[in-house]
Amino acid sequence: GENVEQHPSTLSVQEGDSAVIKCTYSDSASNYFPWYKQELGKGPQLIIDIRSNVGEKKDQRIAVTLNKTAKHFSLHITETQPEDSAVYFCAASRREGAQKLVFGQGTRLTINP
Amino acid sequence: ETGVTQTPRHLVMGMTNKKSLKCEQHLGHNAMYWYKQSAKKPLELMFVYNFKEQTENNSVPSRFSPECPNSSHLFLHLHTLQPEDSALYLCASSQDLPGGGWHNEQFFGPGTRLTVL
Repeated sequence: GENVEQHPSTLSVQEGDSAVIKCTYSDSASNYFPWYKQELGKGPQLIIDIRSNVGEKKDQRIAVTLNKTAKHFSLHITETQPEDSAVYFCAASRREGAQKLVFGQGTRLTINP
Repeated sequence: ETGVTQTPRHLVMGMTNKKSLKCEQHLGHNAMYWYKQSAKKPLELMFVYNFKEQTENNSVPSRFSPECPNSSHLFLHLHTLQPEDSALYLCASSQDLPGGGWHNEQFFGPGTRLTVL
């Protein structure tokens, strides 16, 4: 089955700097790669996703890149702000049948003012 | 109510108790999911329901029993749990095509924090 590895487990950056979180996946049939942000006491919330037919997607300060050959994808947050502090999860799922997301271990991002 | 709601938000139970977790989605979605989130592990998919039919049981012990009476409601019935079952249980929903195809966003509820004594 699918296995998703996420690094780093913790990340601390200065406000205004960029943050990068990386994930690798094992199943070449995976075609959907969402990123979720989880704040304390809340459920995960989708911040951006990418499908295997594109290599990059951007939404304001957030961008995701996908390298299907290497089977890895990354989350880039620019101009970080204190409210970006949270736990971020990457995930992957295959196209066939029901959506079965396999999540990475999570990255705790701390933005230092 | 909007989005995905879960009740109760917190639950403490003994190993011999029987309890149920409830999830309701107000988004008109056709798929619902149960996840387990433990401190030291990534989010683990437990069950998937598409159009009220269970399509995935991710090797979950039988002491967890899901029920999906309609496309808006999902229950997780709990009995004779173990302390290691203590975790945050998350419900999610999405609108997906039958038989597969490009997947769409899963919307998560706030979760039920379960403690088994």
